Amino acid sequence: DQQVKQNSPSLSVQEGRISILNCDYTNSMFDYFLWYKKYPAEGPTFLISISSIKDKNEDGRFTVFLNKSAKHLSLHIVPSQPGDSAVYFCAASESSAGGTSYGKLTFGQGTILTVHP
Amino acid sequence: EAGVVQSPRYKIIEKKQPVAFWCNPISGHNTLYWYRQNLGQGPELLIRYENEEAVDDSQLPKDRFSAERLKGVDSTLKIQPAELGDSAVYLCASSSTWGVETQYFGPGTRLLVL
Repeated sequence: DQQVKQNSPSLSVQEGRISILNCDYTNSMFDYFLWYKKYPAEGPTFLISISSIKDKNEDGRFTVFLNKSAKHLSLHIVPSQPGDSAVYFCAASESSAGGTSYGKLTFGQGTILTVHP
Repeated sequence: EAGVVQSPRYKIIEKKQPVAFWCNPISGHNTLYWYRQNLGQGPELLIRYENEEAVDDSQLPKDRFSAERLKGVDSTLKIQPAELGDSAVYLCASSSTWGVETQYFGPGTRLLVL
């Protein structure tokens, strides 16, 4: 049972335009969400995260939106750059009672983003 | 600061053979994770260590997989015997705290079982 789903295997956008990557989850116990970026032959690197107490978190060109009622989150990249071309993974985690996450991540399948010059 | 180091980077073996992967986490990181990433899928947690203790190994196929983290630093993941379905990328990650965003991943070991 795939608890975190990224239904778009790939996305192609033009440089300077907005990239929107989507992610859905089914486990209502998830309350911390992350996006990772992965280049070929490298491990995933943390990009941005959001707690369930927020609906938006922004870091430079990257913004993550969370819609808890729909169990949906999205990553917006504006403006997109060719160097953003990579595989993007959505991940989710449950928090402990103390507010610290357990550290166990459940990943989606990934979306390959290609940004054309 | 050096990142998470994994070796070997690539491994090709025949089925039923044993194989081992090694991970050296970032210095000072107490928490170490092993993930398996199948083709076209996201990483899946196999085991998590807090220092020397395996605190979550619920996803580790214990009939053929084993792991150890002696002295709470380096870790080894072993498969014996390997099966065709074990072909995947095995990722090691480490973190200094119990926070998910601070997990740093190594480059992974790509295993091909023939």
